[in-house]
Amino acid sequence: SQQGEEDPQALSIQEGENATMNCSYKTSINNLQWYRQNSGRGLVHLILIRSNEREKHSGRLRVTLDTSKKSSSLLITASRAADTASYFCATDARGTDKLIFGTGTRLQVFP
Amino acid sequence: SQTIHQWPATLVQPVGSPLSLECTVEGTSNPNLYWYRQAAGRGLQLLFYSIGIDQISSEVPQNLSASRPQDRQFILSSKKLLLSDSGFYLCAWSQHNNSPLHFGNGTRLTVT
Repeated sequence: SQQGEEDPQALSIQEGENATMNCSYKTSINNLQWYRQNSGRGLVHLILIRSNEREKHSGRLRVTLDTSKKSSSLLITASRAADTASYFCATDARGTDKLIFGTGTRLQVFP
Repeated sequence: SQTIHQWPATLVQPVGSPLSLECTVEGTSNPNLYWYRQAAGRGLQLLFYSIGIDQISSEVPQNLSASRPQDRQFILSSKKLLLSDSGFYLCAWSQHNNSPLHFGNGTRLTVT
């Protein structure tokens, strides 16, 4: 079964609002990553948070990680229409070389 | 700088025909290489990953195979395509374990 599950599956907001996406996973991890995918394109890496970190920022992105709950959240502040995309979390199960992706959240930002 | 090339961008193939998708990486050596498949509107399914030449792990029993004839070349193949093989195939590389993946632009495969 999949390592990561995101919710909500879809999110629609207005420009300027904040968008929050959540990710849950099942096994112990070394790190958790968030990716963005524009329609019909490859994924682009956004941010990586290690298992010993609780929060990380990159520009308008804020990621939190709660290893006790096996969950993470991605917050996009002051959203823009250009943020419209699908967002995926990905985790690496400890002791493996593979990165497993969640089901993704489709974000629509209306101008 | 490192780049990843994946081709073709789109492909329409009849059921029962063979498949060969290529992926090459430039600007790095001994990368980890990955093949993922994405069904329409869905998440990514890991198909194969390779940490070196002759070291390929298969994640899902299926109609596909992968090979790594050179350090920076990863090929996805099938002898006979099925309708269920349709999807968006993504190649990716990473420098080492636990590092970010860099994706190609994908191949949209339609099996008719």
